[in-house]
Amino acid sequence: QAVVTQEPSLTVSPGGTVTLTCGSSTGAVTSGHWPYWFQQKPGQAPRTLIYDTTNRHSWTPDRFAGSLLGGKAALTLSGAQPGDEADYYCLLFHGGIRMFGGGTKLTVL
Amino acid sequence: QVQLQESGPGLVEPSQTLSLICTVSGGSINNGNYYWNWIRQPAGKGLEWIGRMYTNGNTNYNPSLKSRVSISGDTSKNQFSLNLRSVSAADAAVYYCVREGAGAYWGQGILVTVSS
Repeated sequence: QAVVTQEPSLTVSPGGTVTLTCGSSTGAVTSGHWPYWFQQKPGQAPRTLIYDTTNRHSWTPDRFAGSLLGGKAALTLSGAQPGDEADYYCLLFHGGIRMFGGGTKLTVL
Repeated sequence: QVQLQESGPGLVEPSQTLSLICTVSGGSINNGNYYWNWIRQPAGKGLEWIGRMYTNGNTNYNPSLKSRVSISGDTSKNQFSLNLRSVSAADAAVYYCVREGAGAYWGQGILVTVSS
């Protein structure tokens, strides 16, 4: 069974830019994996930021952008704010099932 | 806008069956190209995809849970449900229902404890 990988933790300065990635043990991530990105803050349900690689929800700030980068799905945050500190999870479609990455804890400091 | 709400017992005894319901408002579970998912999160851990049901009733399950899980829909009540058999302490988690398709909409989650 495939494994979906994310950076365990990342730190970004306020106003800075950071890229989170989502890889697959089976090879390059493509649009056919229909990548999703979710944000979860302590004590809250996850919130969808990006779906199908690049699409934002109506509530997703423009500073979040989804893409494919170097064989992985990527979430780029430009102009980080303290309120962006959270756990971020990616989700891939793999052989008929969905699989989550282990999550990235993003610190804004 | 679609809204989802989980309901069910918050406490299940070991070896018993965990049964949860997701009530959907703002859209019908048998209209449109949507997947109706169950996802869980043990305390302090990451998200785990359990499985999903398509609008036509077809299902996909996490291979690690497939022998114990079933997801089904009740169109008359606009609900879909999760049944997880033979639970153990490892099944204790917050359980979420999620509509997937042109984005993903989450319920608020329900905490399930496994204990006698």
